[in-house]
Amino acid sequence: GESVGLHLPTLSVQEGDNSIINCAYSNSASDYFIWYKQESGKGPQFIIDIRSNMDKRQGQRVTVLLNKTVKHLSLQIAATQPGDSAVYFCAENRGSSASKIIFGSGTRLSIRP
Amino acid sequence: AAGVIQSPRHLIKEKRETATLKCYPIPRHDTVYWYQQGPGQDPQFLISFYEKMQSDKGSIPDRFSAQQFSDYHSELNMSSLELGDSALYFCASSLVSGGSYEQYFGPGTRLTVT
Repeated sequence: GESVGLHLPTLSVQEGDNSIINCAYSNSASDYFIWYKQESGKGPQFIIDIRSNMDKRQGQRVTVLLNKTVKHLSLQIAATQPGDSAVYFCAENRGSSASKIIFGSGTRLSIRP
Repeated sequence: AAGVIQSPRHLIKEKRETATLKCYPIPRHDTVYWYQQGPGQDPQFLISFYEKMQSDKGSIPDRFSAQQFSDYHSELNMSSLELGDSALYFCASSLVSGGSYEQYFGPGTRLTVT
């Protein structure tokens, strides 16, 4: 079936470096994507979203890029900090009135001191 | 700011028992969602309610039912529990009528079935 998925299950980066987490999706009709951060024992936390009419969106230290041609999106975290350690999920918002989120498999980001 | 409240935070049940999980959305939010997250898995959408009516249904087993009440809180009822039902259950809420699809997740209920 149609899915949202991530390329790598784990990512280790040096503190202060930039992190890039990639995600591929299969449904070309998908039009709304979200990145979530989930720390251990907590619920997913909204980071940033992007609609299909955009290629790029920036937040505080985070940037999401969307390439509709190859059905790929990425999350870039600038100057990675220890507090960024978590599992990151890309997700697609579907359903009537975009009421359900389809999560992809997460990428665990770990920070080396 | 007030967040989504879930109770209980931890629940231990035996096979074939029933369980009820409760969710209290952020005040004035009109939509509630339920997700199930197994160990090492991504969250799976179960069901959602908008203005007390079911709005979407995902991979929710027939043994489970849910509803949203007049005060907008929601309950997930789980019967004939199986070992495989052991998971984290998250509730999320949003203000869809306000044009926002951003879902705010609660801390989750960890259900252990023995």
